[in-house]
Amino acid sequence: KAGVTQTPRYLIKTRGQQVTLSCSPISGHRSVSWYQQTPGQGLQFLFEYFSETQRNKGNFPGRFSGRQFSNSRSEMNVSTLELGDSALYLCASKKQGDNSPLHFGNGTRLTVT
Amino acid sequence: GIQVEQSPPDLILQEGANSTLRCNFSDSVNNLQWFHQNPWGQLINLFYIPSGTKQNGRLSATTVATERYSLLYISSSQTTDSGVYFCAVERRSQGNLIFGKGTKLSVKP
Repeated sequence: KAGVTQTPRYLIKTRGQQVTLSCSPISGHRSVSWYQQTPGQGLQFLFEYFSETQRNKGNFPGRFSGRQFSNSRSEMNVSTLELGDSALYLCASKKQGDNSPLHFGNGTRLTVT
Repeated sequence: GIQVEQSPPDLILQEGANSTLRCNFSDSVNNLQWFHQNPWGQLINLFYIPSGTKQNGRLSATTVATERYSLLYISSSQTTDSGVYFCAVERRSQGNLIFGKGTKLSVKP
């Protein structure tokens, strides 16, 4: 069974640009969530999608947005990039239900210059 | 919000040594996971353990939910065990994991 797949693995953007990251969950997993990892703040929750609806959102500005498609694949978008958005962005998926573990992808490393 | 504290923050071991990593959390949880992050950034599931004890090879974990802590045991450590170990918890109906700051483990040959 294929794991969570994230593309691209690496990305370099300049301030002010926007970026879209992609995530394909494990087959059969309908919940997809996104996390940001930085040296200063650690791992922080961005948002969670289930059945194409945002179910939960972390404390990030509106420049961070996401969506989920009918096949459970998800994208996240960051507009008007800032230097502080440089981070490892991790996508995770899980089966429906509370008592299920999260499985993470390999991440997309975004560098903003 | 719920607080997750991991100790120690850094740990250096000689190959073959045993170690115990601790995770304390400040409120009741319905999910607790241990992860290993390798040097390439990949977060690897080690255990899904909201309560009880589990073992997987040289690794085992115990969560005492009533006392709000979890322990990860690594026996006969190998250099490939190096990396950062994260504990993460989820409160019922929250839908997201809250991570500790991690324990950075270095195993020397």
